[in-house]
Order: sequence, then structure tokens, then C-alpha cells
Amino acid sequence: QKEVEQNSGPLSVPEGAIASLNCTYSDRGSQSFFWYRQYSGKSPELIMFIYSNGDKEDGRFTAQLNKASQYVSLLIRDSQPSDSATYLCAVNLYGNNRLAFGKGNQVVVIP
Amino acid sequence: EPEVTQTPSHQVTQMGQEVILRCVPISNHLYFYWYRQILGQKVEFLVSFYNNEISEKSEIFDDQFSVERPDGSNFTLKIRSTKLEDSAMYFCASSQSTNSPLHFGNGTRLTVT
Repeated sequence: QKEVEQNSGPLSVPEGAIASLNCTYSDRGSQSFFWYRQYSGKSPELIMFIYSNGDKEDGRFTAQLNKASQYVSLLIRDSQPSDSATYLCAVNLYGNNRLAFGKGNQVVVIP
Repeated sequence: EPEVTQTPSHQVTQMGQEVILRCVPISNHLYFYWYRQILGQKVEFLVSFYNNEISEKSEIFDDQFSVERPDGSNFTLKIRSTKLEDSAMYFCASSQSTNSPLHFGNGTRLTVT
């Protein structure tokens, strides 16, 4: 069973701080990796995608991929109350966009 | 920015009834998908569709489910005889290729009573 794990419980961070989220995946052949933000009752909204090892930055967001260790992470710098949401890690297991999602990490930014 | 649109936003139906969920993918996208999310659970893949054919389907997508692209813009998911356990948010998504990011619609909340 190919899995995507997001094991951390809810994450509370003060406004302006860095939120760090981690995700591990089981299939070494996975090709592309995505972070989605989901507000309660809403649809997943694409935040970042990364295909190659290393870091990728977009505004206040940085995605980090380490294929050897099979993890992908997301950093949110200068956290804002509007960043309060559940962050979903998704892995494209076969290159066919049959995404496997993690359960998500809830982030609460405290003003 | 172009977006995926889904209708209706909420559908209530009785067990055993047929429902059709509708989606208009982003216009220059070629690949279409349905995912669902049961309340409190992970987002799950149902089916992918390309060139008027199903590319791949999950074990969830049994004979009760079907998809169709009836015209040049709409993409539909039909559930023939709904069960209580079909209650979920259903998300349509589209992408330009099989390795480019998926863009999700706002979802249809299906409630089966």
C-alpha cells in the first residue's frame, strides 16, 4: 500500500513565526509532490509543487524535497492568521496524477 | 485566473437515487479527474479521464459510478444508485498534463439520506 504520512498534530504558531510541516511517502518511484491548503469545508488550493531534490521558494512558502529520505516539507515564513488552515501533502505516485494525499496538518496562527 | 467550476455546490438525495455531478474544467486542460473526501478523512482518487476515455480508476470507482464528457466543456460524474456511504465532498480537477499540478473545483457536497 503506497502511503503518504503527515503525522504531526495541530500546529499552533504565533503570527510572524515560521510554520514547518513534514510529509513522508512510501514509494521511492514517486515523481512529483504538491502542497495544498484546505480551509474547512472548502476545496484543496495549490500552494506549491516540487519535482527535484532541494528547495523551491515562492513568496513566503518554501518546499523542500529529499528523495533519498523520502520526505517533503513545507515552510511558511512570517505566518499570518489567514494561513490558518489544513495543509495537505500530495504525491504523484506514477506520473499520472493519481495523487495520494496525506491526512493533512492543521495550522493555527495566533495573532 | 481560470478556474474549475462545479455544480451544484450541495446535492441532497435519497438512497437509491441517481445523481449527476457537473464540472467545467479549465479550458486548455486535457486531463480531468474526480476525487472525493468523506468528512474528516483523506482526499481520495476516483478516476482520471483523457481523450474521452477513462485513463485510470480506483477500487472505489465501481459499476455504480460513471463519467462522461457530453460536450466540449462539461465533465460529469454519475452515481447510479446512491448509498449512504457515498455522502462526501466530490472534487473535480483538471490539469494540462499528467505531471502538472491539479487545479480543483470548489466541490459538490453530496448528502445521501
